Amino acid sequence: QVQLQESGPGLVKPSGTLSLTCAVSGGSISSNNWWSWVRQTPGKGLEWIGEIYHSGRTNYNPSLESRVTISVDKSTSHFSLRLNSVTAADTAVYYCARFIISGGNSWFDPWGQGILVTVSS
Amino acid sequence: ELVMTQSPATLSVSPGERVTLSCRASQSISSNLAWYQQKPGQAPRLLIYGASIRPTGIPARFSGSGSGTEFTLTISSLQSEDFAIYYCQQYNNWPPYTFGQGTKLEIK
Repeated sequence: QVQLQESGPGLVKPSGTLSLTCAVSGGSISSNNWWSWVRQTPGKGLEWIGEIYHSGRTNYNPSLESRVTISVDKSTSHFSLRLNSVTAADTAVYYCARFIISGGNSWFDPWGQGILVTVSS
Repeated sequence: ELVMTQSPATLSVSPGERVTLSCRASQSISSNLAWYQQKPGQAPRLLIYGASIRPTGIPARFSGSGSGTEFTLTISSLQSEDFAIYYCQQYNNWPPYTFGQGTKLEIK
C-alpha cells in the first residue's frame, strides 16, 4: 500500500526557509490523488497547508499562501514544501498525506509519520 | 474560513462504555466530514469519511452520523486501544480544509 515519509532539517533559523520533502512509495505519485502538507501545533491543532496534483496544480491555505510553495518531482516520486520567512509560530510537526477524492467524498489517507521542525536561532 | 468545533475537549470514560463525540461546523457542510484518530507520537488515522462511511479495516464499533452542521462519532464499546484524540475535518468549503480542535478520550 502507499506509504509516505517526510524528510528535512529539524531546525530552521528565524526568517529562514523551511524545506521538507515527502517520499511516496508503494503507489504512483501520478495517480488521481492530491498530495498534501498538514502541520500540527499544540496551540492551533491540525492546520492544512496546501496540496499539489501530479500535473503541478496547487492549492494553498490562504493564511499561508504568501509564504508557501509546494512542488512535485514525478521522476523521483517526491513532493516538497517550502515555507519562507519562518518564525517561532511555524514550529510544528509537519505531515505529508495523500488526499483522496472519490465518489463525492474526500479524505486524508495515508499520512507520513511526521517530522518535528523547530524554528530557533 | 469554516470553523469546526468539537466537544467536549476531554472525556473521561471506562473501557466497555459507549461514548459519543460531537463536532459542529460553523456553516452547513452537507455530509462532507471525516473523522481521524491520533495516538501519542503517531500520525492521524482515518476512521470515517462522508460523515458515516467506515473504510475497510476500521472496526464496526466506530460509527459516524450527522449532516449539515451537527455530527457525531460513536464508539459502541470502548477498547483499551481507543484511548486517543479524535479530530473531525471538513472538506466541503475549501481552501482551506479545516479540522476541529480534537476530543481527548482518557481512562476514568
